[in-house]
Amino acid sequence: EDQVTQSPEALRLQEGESSSLNCSYTVSGLRGLFWYRQDPGKGPEFLFTLYSAGEEKEKERLKATLTKKESFLHITAPKPEDSATYLCAVQEYQAGTALIFGKGTTLSVSS
Amino acid sequence: GAGVSQSPRYKVAKRGQDVALRCDPISGHVSLFWYQQALGQGPEFLTYFQNEAQLDKSGLPSDRFFAERPEGSVSTLKIQRTQQEDSAVYLCASSSLGGQTEAFFGQGTRLTVV
Repeated sequence: EDQVTQSPEALRLQEGESSSLNCSYTVSGLRGLFWYRQDPGKGPEFLFTLYSAGEEKEKERLKATLTKKESFLHITAPKPEDSATYLCAVQEYQAGTALIFGKGTTLSVSS
Repeated sequence: GAGVSQSPRYKVAKRGQDVALRCDPISGHVSLFWYQQALGQGPEFLTYFQNEAQLDKSGLPSDRFFAERPEGSVSTLKIQRTQQEDSAVYLCASSSLGGQTEAFFGQGTRLTVV
């Protein structure tokens, strides 16, 4: 059973069309939840870390939120340059330093 | 350097061949991580170093995989007797902190075993 599930697998938006990506997780003790952006042929780029339910963080058109079972990455008025794969990962207290990644959501924004 | 550097960017190996993948972390970064990313999947944790000490190697898939960081800076991931299932992108990340917050990833080495 996957511990981190991201949905949808792929999302196509028009420029300016706001939407949300979902990351649901099942871990016994959450140490932190991470969001990364990955462009084709590149390594993941760090976006946010969330530590506790109710926490929110923002960066430009992106806003990440966290509940006890899931996290959302809200994208407001996206632009074509926001097209990428967005990865969610969790770190458990019991698992040491390892990050457990989801499979990602591939976002395509057309003008 | 300005970022995490990995070499080579691409490696084609014949089945059974040994390979060595190199990671140059950001100067001064204490923590170094190796991940394996198969096509269409998220990265999977392999191993973690704090300075020269390998503190976690729970993700290494078999005893054919070996990693080292002898002087606490450059790290090498070695795969012996490569098999087709080893084909993936191998990512290295480094962090100035003890954990994974704001870890910076390299561009990866794409390994293809034929």
